[in-house]
Amino acid sequence: QVQLVESGGGVVQPGRSLRLSCAASGFTRYSYALHWLRQAPGKGLEWVAVISYDGSKIFYADSVKGRFTVSRDNPKHTIYLEMNSLRSEDTAVYYCARDPSEVVIAGYFEHWGQGTLVTVSS
Amino acid sequence: EVVMTQSPASLSVSPGEGATLSCRASQSIGTNLAWYQQKPGQTPRLIVYGASSRAAGIPVRFSGRGSGTEFTLSIRSLQSEDFGVYYCQQYDGWPPVLNFGGGTKVEI
Repeated sequence: QVQLVESGGGVVQPGRSLRLSCAASGFTRYSYALHWLRQAPGKGLEWVAVISYDGSKIFYADSVKGRFTVSRDNPKHTIYLEMNSLRSEDTAVYYCARDPSEVVIAGYFEHWGQGTLVTVSS
Repeated sequence: EVVMTQSPASLSVSPGEGATLSCRASQSIGTNLAWYQQKPGQTPRLIVYGASSRAAGIPVRFSGRGSGTEFTLSIRSLQSEDFGVYYCQQYDGWPPVLNFGGGTKVEI
């Protein structure tokens, strides 16, 4: 079955950087867009970014634009979230999620990983 | 940006009763709306997409309705496993700016 496994979370000081990974498996074709979302402690869900199946289309939420970068390595079935200039308000569980449509971006989230916690604190 | 507003913020229901959750969009989004369930300590799970289509494996007691700006998720005869927080999410427009509502907590 579809599996998404995030890694790379941890405690980081404000202003520093961190890179998250999401390894995908269980697809017969890796032609799906993948999203990053986050959830601050005790708060609701926030979409962060999406990368199309071939990496040609990438979109970000305004709250992270210019600080976060998404990339993907299709032979490794992995996507990454490079987070720079981290702030305390970036503290959250970060989820990777698969879009339901092949090739195009539908924009909702059919499968989710378990998440990885990022804590930004001095 | 489309703002999603859910009501009520919380809802107390007894097992076996029904519940109706509401979600309003600040502008028309057609039927580009999804609902998710999140239990404490767990990952969100897709319940409904396209405003009214149940996701794979979702029981028929869940039903979504609506279009434009007003949407509802109804749960008929709540089971113990249905308690948690429900979020609506819009996915209308291009480029994608994907927004969630604040959630409705369904509790015993």
